[in-house]
Amino acid sequence: ELKVEQNPLFLSMQEGKNYTIYCNYSTTSDRLYWYRQDPGKSLESLFVLLSNGAVKQEGRLMASLDTKARLSTLHITAAVHDLSATYFCAVDKDNQGGKLIFGQGTELSVKP
Amino acid sequence: DAGITQSPRYKITETGRQVTLMCHQTWSHSYMFWYRQDLGHGLRLIYYSAAADITDKGEVPDGYVVSRSKTENFPLTLESATRSQTSVYFCASSEWATIYFGEGSWLTVV
Repeated sequence: ELKVEQNPLFLSMQEGKNYTIYCNYSTTSDRLYWYRQDPGKSLESLFVLLSNGAVKQEGRLMASLDTKARLSTLHITAAVHDLSATYFCAVDKDNQGGKLIFGQGTELSVKP
Repeated sequence: DAGITQSPRYKITETGRQVTLMCHQTWSHSYMFWYRQDLGHGLRLIYYSAAADITDKGEVPDGYVVSRSKTENFPLTLESATRSQTSVYFCASSEWATIYFGEGSWLTVV
């Protein structure tokens, strides 16, 4: 059974600091997704990582994928309050695009 | 406008009643999905469909029924709602590696 585990589950950080969210998964997969969710809202796609060694960056967020270690990271650089949200990683269990197994989510709070 | 829409967005129903959540996409994507999200959890796959008239179970299919007679529609039916089915339901469609989520349907079963 494919399991996806994120840590930490809760993260309180100060503006300007850096931090990394980790996403470990238990079986082989070449597709990993990162999403952001604001309270009461749908999921916003942040990154789609499709191969080993993939690295993508958008603004203060950078995601990477190591399929051999079954690990993805979401790195936050110089956090700002607007990044406060819940972040989910999800693994495509069949590499077919859509049958996702989600992590529990990391609730990020960025304080001034 | 093109996109994926869900209805109703909010619904309160009683235990034992039948409820249908609708999902419509305008892109003609082959794959469509239903997920549920419970407080403090990520999304879990209920059912998915690879094409019209092709559906299959996901992680948590019990108590749900789906159909897909047209490519653009993928309704989810709770045949006899239970309180444990109180949740937020998200429909999604996908093309290659890109997945699009609807806005969600908040369902409360009392």
